[in-house]
Amino acid sequence: DGGITQSPKYLFRKEGQNVTLSCEQNLNHDAMYWYRQDPGQGLRLIYYSQIVNDFQKGDIAEGYSVSREKKESFPLTVTSAQKNPTAFYLCATAGANVLTFGAGSRLTVL
Amino acid sequence: QQQVKQSPQSLIVQKGGIPIINCAYENTAFDYFPWYQQFPGKGPALLIAIRPDVSEKKEGRFTISFNKSAKQFSLHIMDSQPGDSATYFCAANPFSGNTPLVFGKGTRLSVIA
Repeated sequence: DGGITQSPKYLFRKEGQNVTLSCEQNLNHDAMYWYRQDPGQGLRLIYYSQIVNDFQKGDIAEGYSVSREKKESFPLTVTSAQKNPTAFYLCATAGANVLTFGAGSRLTVL
Repeated sequence: QQQVKQSPQSLIVQKGGIPIINCAYENTAFDYFPWYQQFPGKGPALLIAIRPDVSEKKEGRFTISFNKSAKQFSLHIMDSQPGDSATYFCAANPFSGNTPLVFGKGTRLSVIA
């Protein structure tokens, strides 16, 4: 969607497993973001990156990790330390003060 | 100070009605106020945005009203249609710089025929 590709669209995880969500963009935007969405909780910021090889924690970073080795890619790893990982995860980029979101990845813990 | 408070949490209106969604903020450094629309299973998309140098902005059937002194802003949808049924998020941040947007918790709108 809008030059942002998130994969997989659906993902199932067993307790204790790490999983990585992919986010790739072709918009040439420097800033990239990961949000978590739960019903009634809005969009909560997990991590963001304003430039390659740099990233900052958002409001709910515990149990998550990211990397930004390339401008186009900002993968999110949901670690076993995240106690309640079932949620809808959204990746976004920012250009001209406009956030463009991907289509999301829905993670379910079995 | 970083919060954006949004109400109501959910809203049901008849087709042709004018739903109104309200947001309030505390941080006086905020000077950019966008609204995002999200359909089920999709990512949010920018709907309309306003800066505080104007009190109102219209784009088609969507209008933002802004009250700087009260630190409040609202979204009005004129002649609402069933296709407007979605979740709406208000947000805010300082326009300059790379500070992430602060989002409200969202309003789930249902427009019934």
